[in-house]
Amino acid sequence: EPEVTQTPSHQVTQMGQEVILRCVPISNHLYFYWYRQILGQKVEFLVSFYNNEISEKSEIFDDQFSVERPDGSNFTLKIRSTKLEDSAMYFCASSGTSGVGSGNTIYFGEGSWLTVV
Amino acid sequence: GENVEQHPSTLSVQEGDSAVIKCTYSDSASNYFPWYKQELGKGPQLIIDIRSNVGEKKDQRIAVTLNKTAKHFSLHITETQPEDSAVYFCAANFPSGSARQLTFGSGTQLTVLP
Repeated sequence: EPEVTQTPSHQVTQMGQEVILRCVPISNHLYFYWYRQILGQKVEFLVSFYNNEISEKSEIFDDQFSVERPDGSNFTLKIRSTKLEDSAMYFCASSGTSGVGSGNTIYFGEGSWLTVV
Repeated sequence: GENVEQHPSTLSVQEGDSAVIKCTYSDSASNYFPWYKQELGKGPQLIIDIRSNVGEKKDQRIAVTLNKTAKHFSLHITETQPEDSAVYFCAANFPSGSARQLTFGSGTQLTVLP
């Protein structure tokens, strides 16, 4: 079964450093997402990406964050100048040709656990 | 914005019994309601979903019901097994009818006791 893959599975970084989290969405999917889950809390939407641009973002997704699809298979989340409160599990997800609510479901990766120290 | 409330936060059942988790949502135009199972250290895994044009959907031991008037939906797991133990999240799409994002409930830690 096709799956969303993420790297790294776990990263520890110093406060103030930049981090790039990588994802390979399911190959025929067109919508890509990043979600975040702080330990013990609910999964929160960060950003969605379609047709090489951000289609929607939440209040969490401020200027510190950026996303990119550098080639035909990868989708990245960059966090500049990390803060302690950025420590969380970051999930990449993808969905098919028409996104959520229009016939396609969102499939999540296994997550990248980011620890900022 | 959309708000999804989920209850209970923890649920313990004996193996073989049924488990029911309930969610309510605020945006009456939401039309897609998935349920995810999350095991420790892993990503959410879709187990069942329902769209607003149906009131119930079943897949083996798992069923979901939707009441659009009351704006609530429920997950029913019958004949529970220890491997059903996990955190379960409900979600609804937002903005209303949007293709773009899900709003999640706060999760239910289900423990199935052998």
